[in-house]
Amino acid sequence: DAKTTQPPSMDCAEGRAANLPCNHSTISGNEYVYWYRQIHSQGPQYIIHGLKNNETNEMASLIITEDRKSSTLILPHATLRDTAVYYCMPTATFGSGTQLTVLP
Amino acid sequence: DGGITQSPKYLFRKEGQNVTLSCEQNLNHDAMYWYRQDPGQGLRLIYYSQIVNDFQKGDIAEGYSVSREKKESFPLTVTSAQKNPTAFYLCASSVNRGLLSGANVLTFGAGSRLTVL
Repeated sequence: DAKTTQPPSMDCAEGRAANLPCNHSTISGNEYVYWYRQIHSQGPQYIIHGLKNNETNEMASLIITEDRKSSTLILPHATLRDTAVYYCMPTATFGSGTQLTVLP
Repeated sequence: DGGITQSPKYLFRKEGQNVTLSCEQNLNHDAMYWYRQDPGQGLRLIYYSQIVNDFQKGDIAEGYSVSREKKESFPLTVTSAQKNPTAFYLCASSVNRGLLSGANVLTFGAGSRLTVL
């Protein structure tokens, strides 16, 4: 299974864009990249996923590099409610994620 | 509303006792999963089931058992053989069968927190 590497923590000012990076250099050609977030002591919430092309939905944008070895989740206008742990994962393998703290 | 229901939300048990955590979904999803989460850690896969009457071990299956007699239900039993059972347990389901079958978005329940005294 592919392994992921994410920074353990990041801060972002409220109203600014939050850019969360993920390295997945061992991902195979048919594995999608999924992003979830988890607010303390709740079940993870699906955000977005992609295979090769960049994707956008009402929550976020996903930028995947051409070689598919890394991706970036973009929250265009972060709010305090976006404070959570963000997981980047291929298949069903979760790493430790990035704790995003949105500051007022 | 469709979703996944886990019960109980909190559970306390004495060491050496088996406990069963319930997971029910009304999403008509084929696949179901159980994860364990320890404080400050990510999720680790315990068991998953792609179809009724079939299930596979995940990364940390030792000390756990499951059954999948109905499409809607995937209970997890934490046995006395599990050395450190205190954790947050999460159940999930997905439309697609299997972990590698293309797009496979997981829907999670709210979790069950087990504390062994």
